Amino acid sequence: GAVVSQHPSRVICKSGTSVKIECRSLDFQATTMFWYRQFPKQSLMLMATSNEGSKATYEQGVEKDKFLINHASLTLSTLTVTSAHPEDSSFYICSALASSYNSPLHFGNGTRLTVT
Amino acid sequence: AQSVSQHNHHVILSEAASLELGCNYSYGGTVNLFWYVQYPGQHLQLLLKYFSGDPLVKGIKGFEAEFIKSKFSFNLRKPSVQWSDTAEYFCAVNVGGGGNKLTFGTGTQLKVEL
Repeated sequence: GAVVSQHPSRVICKSGTSVKIECRSLDFQATTMFWYRQFPKQSLMLMATSNEGSKATYEQGVEKDKFLINHASLTLSTLTVTSAHPEDSSFYICSALASSYNSPLHFGNGTRLTVT
Repeated sequence: AQSVSQHNHHVILSEAASLELGCNYSYGGTVNLFWYVQYPGQHLQLLLKYFSGDPLVKGIKGFEAEFIKSKFSFNLRKPSVQWSDTAEYFCAVNVGGGGNKLTFGTGTQLKVEL
């Protein structure tokens, strides 16, 4: 089945540094990728929708200058958390959508970010 | 904005017991409905989905869900659970066409004991 690889699975960084998370579709072309954030015991919250070759669309309340999204190819989207702070510590999950109609979403395994 | 409620946060069952997980959404228009499962250490996987047609939807691994429009519900059921069904289950809703931009419920952690 379709596989989405998300890397790294865990990252610990110091406050003020930037962290890049990669999301790759391994055996299909993903025209659209989604980035979610999940706090403990809470739901997945959509942060942004990323379309290949265009600017990402951010959900209300998500700072686009803090969470930089790049979708440069049909198999790769990156999320960069810039100048990370402890409150950015969370579980980040990407999902990818193939180009065919009504195709299901495929999720990555997620990235646990801890900012110290 | 639409919201999704999963009232059972933790469920513990013995093997062979029947399962029903509740899911209610708040939106009066056309919706597409999904149940996802996340096994320990793994990514989210689609269990089943409803777009239109028969409101009783059958998914993988013996799961089914029934869309009841009048109750704004899409409860997940399985007649006889197995230990391997231990996982977290998420209900999700997409408003309008397609299945892309999803609003998730908070999830239900199911533990099946031998």
